[in-house]
Amino acid sequence: GNSVTQMEGPVTLSEEAFLTINCTYTATGYPSLFWYVQYPGEGLQLLLKATKADDKGSNKGFEATYRKETTSFHLEKGSVQVSDSAVYFCALSDPTDMGRRALTFGSGTRLQVQP
Amino acid sequence: DTEVTQTPKHLVMGMTNKKSLKCEQHMGHRAMYWYKQKAKKPPELMFVYSYEKLSINESVPSRFSPECPNSSLLNLHLHALQPEDSALYLCASSQDLTANYGYTFGSGTRLTVV
Repeated sequence: GNSVTQMEGPVTLSEEAFLTINCTYTATGYPSLFWYVQYPGEGLQLLLKATKADDKGSNKGFEATYRKETTSFHLEKGSVQVSDSAVYFCALSDPTDMGRRALTFGSGTRLQVQP
Repeated sequence: DTEVTQTPKHLVMGMTNKKSLKCEQHMGHRAMYWYKQKAKKPPELMFVYSYEKLSINESVPSRFSPECPNSSLLNLHLHALQPEDSALYLCASSQDLTANYGYTFGSGTRLTVV
């Protein structure tokens, strides 16, 4: 079956530091990949996505590249801000998985950015 | 309108109460979802509706009863819940079941069962 593995958190960084949150996946088909962000007390917001190999998703300074050869979709940002503090979820959607047509989430990584 | 709206935002209910959670979207999405999220955990899928028909029921207890009155609305009826059902309940929608463009989530209903 499909699965998503994220690095354990929390990740604690100082403002303006470089961010990487690792995400690897297992899928039987050709999934689309997503990063969602959840701020405290809120629902999930789509941060970025990539639908095929070598695609790069980007939004609000965050980037992630769909790497089929390493089955990875690592999230990066060059300079984090305190306002980026949140929980980040990596997820996949595999439309060829007939019995499981829904998003598969990773366990989430909490990011704490200190001033 | 690019939002999924959930009401109420907060709900406290007793174990003998009956209540309903509501979800609405006007993006023309044909797939809608209910998720349950416990603290510090990822969302867990409960139900999937596609073209107003129940597509997936993830072995959810019968005290949770979903309803899709039309393509824009999704309800979750609650009856005889247990304290362990306290969680954030999230509604989401997508263009269709392939979800190639991802889901749009509502901000959730925080449910406390006392």
